Amino acid sequence: DGGITQSPKYLFRKEGQNVTLSCEQNLNHDAMYWYRQDPGQGLRLIYYSQIVNDFQKGDIAEGYSVSREKKESFPLTVTSAQKNPTAFYLCASSKEAASKEQYFGPGTRLTVT
Amino acid sequence: QKEVEQNSGPLSVPEGAIASLNCTYSDRGSQSFFWYRQYSGKSPELIMSIYSNGDKEDGRFTAQLNKASQYVSLLIRDSQPSDSATYLCAVNEDTGRRALTFGSGTRLQVQP
Repeated sequence: DGGITQSPKYLFRKEGQNVTLSCEQNLNHDAMYWYRQDPGQGLRLIYYSQIVNDFQKGDIAEGYSVSREKKESFPLTVTSAQKNPTAFYLCASSKEAASKEQYFGPGTRLTVT
Repeated sequence: QKEVEQNSGPLSVPEGAIASLNCTYSDRGSQSFFWYRQYSGKSPELIMSIYSNGDKEDGRFTAQLNKASQYVSLLIRDSQPSDSATYLCAVNEDTGRRALTFGSGTRLQVQP
């Protein structure tokens, strides 16, 4: 059963703590992406990776970090430098780095208090 | 950064009617266009992709692309209450960046 998994579904953290969101895919997709969605708004690109061991900043990369050590995995760390980390985080993947159809995981809702 | 614009809505249509959702984009070199459906609290689901001018039909959904006018639309025929969701337009811009740019979405309400 192929797909994209994100864990956990809900995450609560205290301000000042770093937190890592998991994203795994078994679709054999080359490219992976992280987006952030705030209430009533569209998706904003945080980071993306076209191949293993390579990634690029998106539009709102400040306060976030990623790694791509395996094709299947693209974890996102929300650091204490991110000023407004509370949001819905979405991971996506696409077959080719040319960014054709992207498919999304179920998302992680992060709340920082 | 180039922009993708959508009317936020809500767009309210009666059950059985045609819902028409519109999207404009600023990058004339854009090549790929997508429509995603997002139910409240859920992640986006890809429902249509279109790459060339004209219409593309899939069941009750029709995507329409007009590159000259930089306009892409989604028609939903025989709208059902289960179609009530936010519809996101996404564009692959010709900027060398290998990622999509999303509009903020149009909320559709289908009244039974």
